Amino acid sequence: DGGITQSPKYLFRKEGQNVTLSCEQNLNHDAMYWYRQDPGQGLRLIYYSQIVNDFQKGDIAEGYSVSREKKESFPLTVTSAQKNPTAFYLCASSRTGGVGAFFGQGTRLTVV
Amino acid sequence: AQSVTQLGSHVSVSEGALVLLRCNYSSSVPPYLFWYVQYPNQGLQLLLKYTSAATLVKGINGFEAEFKKSETSFHLTKPSAHMSDAAEYFCAVSVSNFGNEKLTFGTGTRLTIIP
Repeated sequence: DGGITQSPKYLFRKEGQNVTLSCEQNLNHDAMYWYRQDPGQGLRLIYYSQIVNDFQKGDIAEGYSVSREKKESFPLTVTSAQKNPTAFYLCASSRTGGVGAFFGQGTRLTVV
Repeated sequence: AQSVTQLGSHVSVSEGALVLLRCNYSSSVPPYLFWYVQYPNQGLQLLLKYTSAATLVKGINGFEAEFKKSETSFHLTKPSAHMSDAAEYFCAVSVSNFGNEKLTFGTGTRLTIIP
């Protein structure tokens, strides 16, 4: 079955550490996105990529980094520069000419 | 830039009653509009989408929404609420950017169903 796989589902990070969230899709979609979800704030766009080896900052990119070396993969690194990383992170993808995005099941990141 | 306003962060309805979740949008160009549903600790599932083909859009699980340009609204309705409808609902807007769009979300409405 086609879909988007995010791993891990739960992630704990110590202050000062970088962590990487995985996102893989087998939908053959060109575009991929990372959103951050906080209670009462909806979803906010962190980064997006329309093609391999290219990506753009979203509304809240500070403290995050991404790569797009393969069409299927779009990992997100939460760096130590992100001051408040505890949140639910959602990866999504969409196809060129399509309308609407498909979402993964999310990764809940907690700083301990 | 586009934006979405969802009126009411929490809505409670009795089982069997009408569900109405409100969404107003702002966009300088003709928008695409979406409703997504999220169950606890899960991702978002697309309920329905407006792509200018028809103003009344039917989605999954008996939900529908009507695009009203004059009111810049895209309210979500369901005639009869079911316990399984309890979830958080997000309205979103996008404008196509070479076929790959960035979604702008509202802050969500948590729907509670009263038995």
